[in-house]
Amino acid sequence: GQNIDQPTEMTATEGAIVQINCTYQTSGFNGLFWYQQHAGEAPTFLSYNVLDGLEEKGRFSSFLSRSKGYSYLLLKELQMKDSASYLCAGVDSNYQLIWGAGTKLIIKP
Amino acid sequence: ETGVTQSPTHLIKTRGQQVTLRCSSQSGHNTVSWYQQALGQGPQFIFQYYREEENGRGNFPPRFSGLQFPNYSSELNVNALELDDSALYLCASIHPLGGGDQPQHFGDGTRLSIL
Repeated sequence: GQNIDQPTEMTATEGAIVQINCTYQTSGFNGLFWYQQHAGEAPTFLSYNVLDGLEEKGRFSSFLSRSKGYSYLLLKELQMKDSASYLCAGVDSNYQLIWGAGTKLIIKP
Repeated sequence: ETGVTQSPTHLIKTRGQQVTLRCSSQSGHNTVSWYQQALGQGPQFIFQYYREEENGRGNFPPRFSGLQFPNYSSELNVNALELDDSALYLCASIHPLGGGDQPQHFGDGTRLSIL
């Protein structure tokens, strides 16, 4: 079956760095998305990886290892507004998104 | 601002009733997907429409149905509502020239509560 696993909740301190991990099993693989979702709002696009390696975009970076079925989202210089859920979604062979349940990130001052 | 508009924003229904949710996507976006997101969960794929035809469906019963219109706006219809249908319903559109790397642009969702 298809499955996306990510931690349910993480806590970090303002100004610090946090890494949110995601492991995936999909029927075929056409890339992996990371989305941010604030409570009561729709998900917003953060990153897309299809090749192995690290993609950096400002304070946020995303890494992919296809051989390990593994990705992570790295958030640097954490700000209070980064408190949100972070959703990992794999793209299967039919270009359908398979979503994880999300990681709730709590930022403390 | 994603250019995807959903209506209504909130809705309360009772068990057994029927509901229609609406989505207007960005101009030219001919592919739309609908998702159900229960509280504390990730979105669950319901179905996808491309040029007015359903071209993908998740594990949802037939009482979940949809339509896409020539202007690419779409509807999600749910019959015989059940308590477990209470969720946030999200519509997402994709640019027609996009490949698998094109992000889905989400509307703000419709919060459906079943009493």
